[in-house]
Amino acid sequence: GQNIDQPTEMTATEGAIVQINCTYQTSGFNGLFWYQQHAGEAPTFLSYNVLDGLEEKGRFSSFLSRSKGYSYLLLKELQMKDSASYLCAVMDSNYQLIWGAGTKLIIKP
Amino acid sequence: NAGVTQTPKFRILKIGQSMTLQCTQDMNHNYMYWYRQDPGMGLKLIYYSVGAGITDKGEVPNGYNVSRSTTEDFPLRLELAAPSQTSVYFCASNRAEQETQYFGPGTRLLVL
Repeated sequence: GQNIDQPTEMTATEGAIVQINCTYQTSGFNGLFWYQQHAGEAPTFLSYNVLDGLEEKGRFSSFLSRSKGYSYLLLKELQMKDSASYLCAVMDSNYQLIWGAGTKLIIKP
Repeated sequence: NAGVTQTPKFRILKIGQSMTLQCTQDMNHNYMYWYRQDPGMGLKLIYYSVGAGITDKGEVPNGYNVSRSTTEDFPLRLELAAPSQTSVYFCASNRAEQETQYFGPGTRLLVL
Protein backbone atom coordinates (compact mmCIF):
# COMPACT_ATOMS: atom_id res chain seq x y z
CA GLY A 1 0.00 0.00 0.00
CA GLN A 2 0.90 3.65 -0.22
CA ASN A 3 2.05 5.40 2.90
CA ILE A 4 3.32 8.81 3.95
CA ASP A 5 4.73 9.25 7.46
CA GLN A 6 5.47 12.50 9.25
CA PRO A 7 5.54 13.43 12.95
CA THR A 8 2.19 14.42 14.42
CA GLU A 9 3.40 17.47 16.32
CA MET A 10 6.59 19.46 16.88
CA THR A 11 7.43 22.41 19.12
CA ALA A 12 10.10 25.03 18.43
CA THR A 13 11.15 28.45 19.69
CA GLU A 14 10.75 31.73 17.85
CA GLY A 15 13.93 32.57 15.94
CA ALA A 16 15.16 28.97 15.91
CA ILE A 17 15.39 26.35 13.13
CA VAL A 18 13.15 23.30 12.79
CA GLN A 19 13.28 20.31 10.46
CA ILE A 20 10.10 18.38 9.62
CA ASN A 21 10.72 14.92 8.19
CA CYS A 22 8.60 12.93 5.75
CA THR A 23 9.11 9.35 4.64
CA TYR A 24 7.10 7.73 1.89
CA GLN A 25 6.30 4.48 0.14
CA THR A 26 4.24 4.98 -3.01
CA SER A 27 3.50 3.27 -6.31
CA GLY A 28 5.65 5.45 -8.51
CA PHE A 29 7.01 8.91 -7.91
CA ASN A 30 6.35 12.11 -9.83
CA GLY A 31 7.42 14.62 -7.23
CA LEU A 32 6.96 15.61 -3.59
CA PHE A 33 5.07 18.66 -2.39
CA TRP A 34 5.03 20.54 0.90
CA TYR A 35 1.98 22.58 1.83
CA GLN A 36 1.30 24.85 4.80
CA GLN A 37 -2.13 24.84 6.41
CA HIS A 38 -3.14 27.31 9.12
CA ALA A 39 -5.96 26.17 11.40
CA GLY A 40 -9.33 26.49 9.70
CA GLU A 41 -7.82 27.44 6.35
CA ALA A 42 -6.92 25.83 3.04
CA PRO A 43 -3.53 24.25 2.30
CA THR A 44 -1.17 26.61 0.46
CA PHE A 45 1.79 25.50 -1.64
CA LEU A 46 5.29 25.82 -0.18
CA SER A 47 7.67 23.73 -2.27
CA TYR A 48 8.12 21.00 -4.87
CA ASN A 49 10.97 18.52 -5.29
CA VAL A 50 11.28 16.00 -8.10
CA LEU A 51 15.08 15.57 -8.20
CA ASP A 52 17.39 14.72 -5.32
CA GLY A 53 18.82 17.62 -3.42
CA LEU A 54 17.93 20.84 -1.68
CA GLU A 55 15.53 23.52 -2.92
CA GLU A 56 15.80 26.84 -1.10
CA LYS A 57 13.09 29.48 -1.04
CA GLY A 58 13.72 32.26 1.45
CA ARG A 59 13.42 31.00 5.02
CA PHE A 60 12.10 27.64 3.80
CA SER A 61 14.12 24.82 2.23
CA SER A 62 13.07 21.34 1.16
CA PHE A 63 15.28 18.31 0.62
CA LEU A 64 14.60 15.08 -1.25
CA SER A 65 16.31 11.68 -1.40
CA ARG A 66 14.41 9.41 -3.78
CA SER A 67 16.56 6.36 -3.01
CA LYS A 68 15.69 6.65 0.69
CA GLY A 69 12.05 7.68 0.19
CA TYR A 70 12.76 10.69 2.39
CA SER A 71 12.21 14.42 2.42
CA TYR A 72 12.45 17.20 4.96
CA LEU A 73 11.23 20.75 5.22
CA LEU A 74 13.60 23.16 6.97
CA LEU A 75 12.23 26.36 8.44
CA LYS A 76 14.74 28.99 9.57
CA GLU A 77 14.34 32.12 11.71
CA LEU A 78 11.00 30.90 12.96
CA GLN A 79 8.24 33.44 13.39
CA MET A 80 5.00 33.11 15.34
CA LYS A 81 3.07 33.15 12.05
CA ASP A 82 4.81 29.86 11.11
CA SER A 83 2.59 28.09 13.64
CA ALA A 84 0.59 25.82 11.32
CA SER A 85 0.34 22.28 10.03
CA TYR A 86 2.79 21.20 7.35
CA LEU A 87 1.55 18.61 4.89
CA CYS A 88 3.79 16.31 2.87
CA ALA A 89 2.28 14.90 -0.34
CA VAL A 90 3.74 12.57 -2.97
CA MET A 91 2.53 12.44 -6.56
CA ASP A 92 2.25 8.79 -7.57
CA SER A 93 2.50 7.11 -10.97
CA ASN A 94 -1.10 8.16 -11.79
CA TYR A 95 -0.29 11.80 -10.97
CA GLN A 96 -2.52 11.64 -7.91
CA LEU A 97 -1.37 13.18 -4.64
CA ILE A 98 -0.98 10.87 -1.63
CA TRP A 99 -1.07 12.96 1.53
CA GLY A 100 0.51 12.58 4.93
CA ALA A 101 -1.57 13.42 8.00
CA GLY A 102 0.42 16.61 8.57
CA THR A 103 2.77 17.88 11.25
CA LYS A 104 1.40 20.49 13.62
CA LEU A 105 4.17 22.99 14.39
CA ILE A 106 3.85 24.98 17.60
CA ILE A 107 6.07 28.05 17.94
CA LYS A 108 6.78 29.33 21.45
CA PRO A 109 8.07 32.85 22.21
CA ASN B 1 -8.54 36.59 -9.83
CA ALA B 2 -10.58 34.99 -7.08
CA GLY B 3 -8.83 31.63 -7.58
CA VAL B 4 -10.87 28.70 -6.26
CA THR B 5 -14.10 29.55 -4.44
CA GLN B 6 -16.37 27.22 -2.49
CA THR B 7 -19.87 27.58 -1.06
CA PRO B 8 -21.20 27.18 1.54
CA LYS B 9 -18.52 27.69 4.18
CA PHE B 10 -20.40 25.67 6.78
CA ARG B 11 -23.49 23.48 6.75
CA ILE B 12 -25.35 21.22 9.16
CA LEU B 13 -27.30 18.35 7.57
CA LYS B 14 -29.63 15.80 9.04
CA ILE B 15 -29.06 12.12 8.27
CA GLY B 16 -30.64 11.25 4.94
CA GLN B 17 -30.68 14.79 3.56
CA SER B 18 -28.84 15.71 0.38
CA MET B 19 -26.89 18.77 -0.68
CA THR B 20 -24.53 20.12 -3.30
CA LEU B 21 -21.16 21.67 -2.47
CA GLN B 22 -20.23 24.27 -5.05
CA CYS B 23 -16.72 24.85 -6.44
CA THR B 24 -15.70 27.42 -9.05
CA GLN B 25 -12.27 28.40 -10.38
CA ASP B 26 -11.42 31.35 -12.61
CA MET B 27 -7.91 30.27 -13.62
CA ASN B 28 -9.00 28.28 -16.70
CA HIS B 29 -7.57 25.13 -15.14
CA ASN B 30 -8.36 21.83 -16.80
CA TYR B 31 -7.95 19.66 -13.71
CA MET B 32 -10.21 19.88 -10.67
CA TYR B 33 -10.36 17.77 -7.51
CA TRP B 34 -12.51 17.14 -4.46
CA TYR B 35 -10.85 16.08 -1.20
CA ARG B 36 -12.09 15.46 2.29
CA GLN B 37 -9.97 16.12 5.36
CA ASP B 38 -10.66 14.34 8.63
CA PRO B 39 -8.82 15.02 11.92
CA GLY B 40 -5.51 13.14 12.19
CA MET B 41 -5.67 11.90 8.61
CA GLY B 42 -4.30 13.01 5.30
CA LEU B 43 -6.45 14.51 2.58
CA LYS B 44 -8.39 11.85 0.71
CA LEU B 45 -9.34 12.22 -2.96
CA ILE B 46 -13.07 11.77 -3.61
CA TYR B 47 -13.42 12.59 -7.32
CA TYR B 48 -11.44 14.42 -9.94
CA SER B 49 -11.94 15.80 -13.43
CA VAL B 50 -9.48 16.26 -16.27
CA GLY B 51 -11.75 18.58 -18.24
CA ALA B 52 -15.36 19.48 -18.97
CA GLY B 53 -17.47 16.36 -19.38
CA ILE B 54 -14.86 14.01 -17.88
CA THR B 55 -14.87 12.81 -14.26
CA ASP B 56 -13.34 9.88 -12.43
CA LYS B 57 -13.39 8.29 -9.00
CA GLY B 58 -10.70 8.86 -6.44
CA GLU B 59 -9.90 6.88 -3.31
CA VAL B 60 -13.19 7.46 -1.39
CA PRO B 61 -16.06 8.07 -3.88
CA ASN B 62 -18.88 6.16 -2.15
CA GLY B 63 -21.81 8.37 -1.18
CA TYR B 64 -20.81 11.19 -3.54
CA ASN B 65 -21.39 12.24 -7.13
CA VAL B 66 -19.89 14.93 -9.34
CA SER B 67 -20.44 16.59 -12.68
CA ARG B 68 -18.32 18.89 -14.84
CA SER B 69 -20.42 20.69 -17.43
CA THR B 70 -18.07 23.70 -17.69
CA THR B 71 -14.36 24.32 -17.20
CA GLU B 72 -15.08 26.61 -14.24
CA ASP B 73 -17.50 24.57 -12.12
CA PHE B 74 -17.14 21.22 -10.36
CA PRO B 75 -20.01 20.61 -7.90
CA LEU B 76 -19.99 17.72 -5.42
CA ARG B 77 -23.32 16.08 -4.61
CA LEU B 78 -24.02 14.23 -1.37
CA GLU B 79 -27.01 11.92 -1.50
CA LEU B 80 -28.48 10.48 1.70
CA ALA B 81 -26.03 12.16 4.08
CA ALA B 82 -24.50 9.95 6.79
CA PRO B 83 -22.56 10.88 9.98
CA SER B 84 -19.43 9.38 8.35
CA GLN B 85 -19.56 12.24 5.84
CA THR B 86 -18.92 14.80 8.58
CA SER B 87 -15.69 16.36 7.38
CA VAL B 88 -14.03 19.37 5.81
CA TYR B 89 -14.27 19.32 2.02
CA PHE B 90 -11.71 21.04 -0.17
CA CYS B 91 -11.87 21.68 -3.87
CA ALA B 92 -8.61 22.17 -5.78
CA SER B 93 -7.49 22.80 -9.33
CA ASN B 94 -4.39 22.87 -11.50
CA ARG B 95 -3.54 23.59 -15.10
CA ALA B 96 -1.87 20.22 -15.70
CA GLU B 97 -1.89 17.07 -13.57
CA GLN B 98 1.76 17.29 -12.57
CA GLU B 99 1.56 20.91 -11.48
CA THR B 100 0.80 22.53 -8.13
CA GLN B 101 -2.78 22.24 -6.95
CA TYR B 102 -4.53 25.36 -5.67
CA PHE B 103 -7.15 24.97 -2.99
CA GLY B 104 -10.43 26.65 -2.17
CA PRO B 105 -11.22 27.78 1.40
CA GLY B 106 -13.16 24.61 2.25
CA THR B 107 -16.67 23.63 3.32
CA ARG B 108 -17.23 22.34 6.84
CA LEU B 109 -20.03 19.79 6.90
CA LEU B 110 -21.64 18.35 10.00
CA VAL B 111 -24.13 15.49 9.61
CA LEU B 112 -26.30 14.82 12.65
